[in-house]
Amino acid sequence: DAGVTQSPTHLIKTRGQQVTLRCSPKSGHDTVSWYQQALGQGPQFIFQYYEEEERQRGNFPDRFSGHQFPNYSSELNVNALLLGDSALYLCASSRGGNSYNEQFFGPGTRLTVL
Amino acid sequence: ILNVEQSPQSLHVQEGDSTNFTCSFPSSNFYALHWYRWETAKSPEALFVMTLNGDEKKKGRISATLNTKEGYSYLYIKGSQPEDSATYLCAPKGGETSGSRLTFGEGTQLTVNP
Repeated sequence: DAGVTQSPTHLIKTRGQQVTLRCSPKSGHDTVSWYQQALGQGPQFIFQYYEEEERQRGNFPDRFSGHQFPNYSSELNVNALLLGDSALYLCASSRGGNSYNEQFFGPGTRLTVL
Repeated sequence: ILNVEQSPQSLHVQEGDSTNFTCSFPSSNFYALHWYRWETAKSPEALFVMTLNGDEKKKGRISATLNTKEGYSYLYIKGSQPEDSATYLCAPKGGETSGSRLTFGEGTQLTVNP
């Protein structure tokens, strides 16, 4: 079992560009959540996908969007990048929506916006 | 949105010392609390999911307690080892309407010196 995988590992973009980050959930998991971790802070919830729909959203602008595919993998898209979008982006997968279930995290994608 | 506080922010101990740190959260609308351990350059790893007042969980030398009435959880590490060096994150979850999103504290960064 490969666990949760994310790609790419690192990414450098310039302001105004668009970026797509990818996540493959742990085998048997159907729910994917995305988090942003800025330096010195805990991970902040961006949104969650289940059954190919955005089920919950945190306090992030519409520039942040996502998608979930039939195989449960997911993408996070960020448009019109700002310097403040530089962060570690974590993907977490879980089974169903029950909050008792552990969320398993990937290693993250480090995004640097110049 | 839950206000989560973790203390101390960082901690340096000697190998063999026992240590503990705190996660504080609003006691109303509590549903579950997750503890994660995050080593540098690795994925956050789930330690415990706690749900009941008075709950106590143990995993090797690490244990945690939960007080939902007063809104805090303690994480204890007995006989710290250098491999315990990591950031420890807590993530309480509110009521069922918040889905399975996790609201993380900023973490306690533990360094165990050999």
